[in-house]
Amino acid sequence: AQRVTQPEKLLSVFKGAPVELKCNYSYSGSPELFWYVQYSRQRLQLLLRHISRESIKGFTADLNKGETSFHLKKPFAQEEDSAMYYCALGPLSGSARQLTFGSGTQLTVLP
Amino acid sequence: EAGVTQFPSHSVIEKGQTVTLRCDPISGHDNLYWYRRVMGKEIKFLLHFVKESKQDESGMPNNRFLAERTGGTYSTLKVQPAELEDSGVYFCASSPRISGGELFFGEGSRLTVL
Repeated sequence: AQRVTQPEKLLSVFKGAPVELKCNYSYSGSPELFWYVQYSRQRLQLLLRHISRESIKGFTADLNKGETSFHLKKPFAQEEDSAMYYCALGPLSGSARQLTFGSGTQLTVLP
Repeated sequence: EAGVTQFPSHSVIEKGQTVTLRCDPISGHDNLYWYRRVMGKEIKFLLHFVKESKQDESGMPNNRFLAERTGGTYSTLKVQPAELEDSGVYFCASSPRISGGELFFGEGSRLTVL
């Protein structure tokens, strides 16, 4: 069975501090991993996906197949990063992109 | 371009009543998904339409839930009769037929069953 685990429900850091949101997964096969974000009073939106290997809003995430992890990192957190973050996985290809989500981590960046 | 729209944004009903949630996907998106987030839990998949056909409804909790997508445009999700444990936020998402993996979400419909 596929599963996404986000061990931290709440995470608080000070502005300018590094932040890491943890995500571990289990999946039989080759998954595609995503981070979605929901800012206050906004809809859930894609932040980044592992195959893009890009940095979005200063965030990066590296897929570690050995540890089955896809942690989200940012070296210097900003107050506008405060939001709910969801890790998700889906099949690597195909038209059916049903995603499996974790339970989310609420990040608060303190001034 | 209009995003995915959902109606109502919040519904409060009593146990045993019926509620119908509506989702209008982005125009031209063949794939439509329903998800649900119960308080404190993960966002769980309910079902997936490709146009008007149910591709996967393995996440539907029981037969009190009925989803339709007549004509392959908007979709409705009916809960009848509603139970307390149905409370949560119901999200709709859509994606194009050939998708790079990104789902486009609506703002969600919050259901409170008293």
